Amino acid sequence: DGGITQSPKYLFRKEGQNVTLSCEQNLNHDAMYWYRQDPGQGLRLIYYSQIVNDFQKGDIAEGYSVSREKKESFPLTVTSAQKNPTAFYLCASRKQDSTYGYTFGSGTRLTVV
Amino acid sequence: AQSVTQPDIHITVSEGASLELRCNYSYGATPYLFWYVQSPGQGLQLLLKYFSGDTLVQGIKGFEAEFKRSQSSFNLRKPSVHWSDAAEYFCAVGDTGTASKLTFGTGTRLQVTL
Repeated sequence: DGGITQSPKYLFRKEGQNVTLSCEQNLNHDAMYWYRQDPGQGLRLIYYSQIVNDFQKGDIAEGYSVSREKKESFPLTVTSAQKNPTAFYLCASRKQDSTYGYTFGSGTRLTVV
Repeated sequence: AQSVTQPDIHITVSEGASLELRCNYSYGATPYLFWYVQSPGQGLQLLLKYFSGDTLVQGIKGFEAEFKRSQSSFNLRKPSVHWSDAAEYFCAVGDTGTASKLTFGTGTRLQVTL
């Protein structure tokens, strides 16, 4: 079945370490997105990519980095510069048409200790 | 800039009762509007969406929403709530540019009592 896979589901890291969250989709979707979710704040856009080798900052990109070397993959790195990295991270993908068919992954919960 | 307001953080309803979740948006043109549902620790599932046309939109799981331009609202309704509807609900507005970014509200957590 086609879908979007985020791994791992839970991730623990020590403060000051960089960590990379995986997002893979086999839907042949063009665009991919990373959102951060905190209690009471909804989802906020970190980065998005519409085509391979191109990506744009979202509303809260500071302390994060991404790459888009393959259409299927859009990994997110949470760097040590991110002041409050503990959160739930959601990846999404979408076909470039007008119907807004977002598909979301099941998320990665990152805890920094 | 576009924005979404969900004024109710937490709502509790009895099973079988009707439900209305409020959503107000701010957008300069005709908006693309969405409702998503999220179970704990999971991703988001699309309930319904509005692009244009009929202002009453039917979705999955018996949900519907009505677009009211004069009130800048897109409230979600269900005539009879089931215990399995307990979850968090998010309203979102999409830009009409090529990036098609979604801006989400802060969510409403629905609790269903038996």
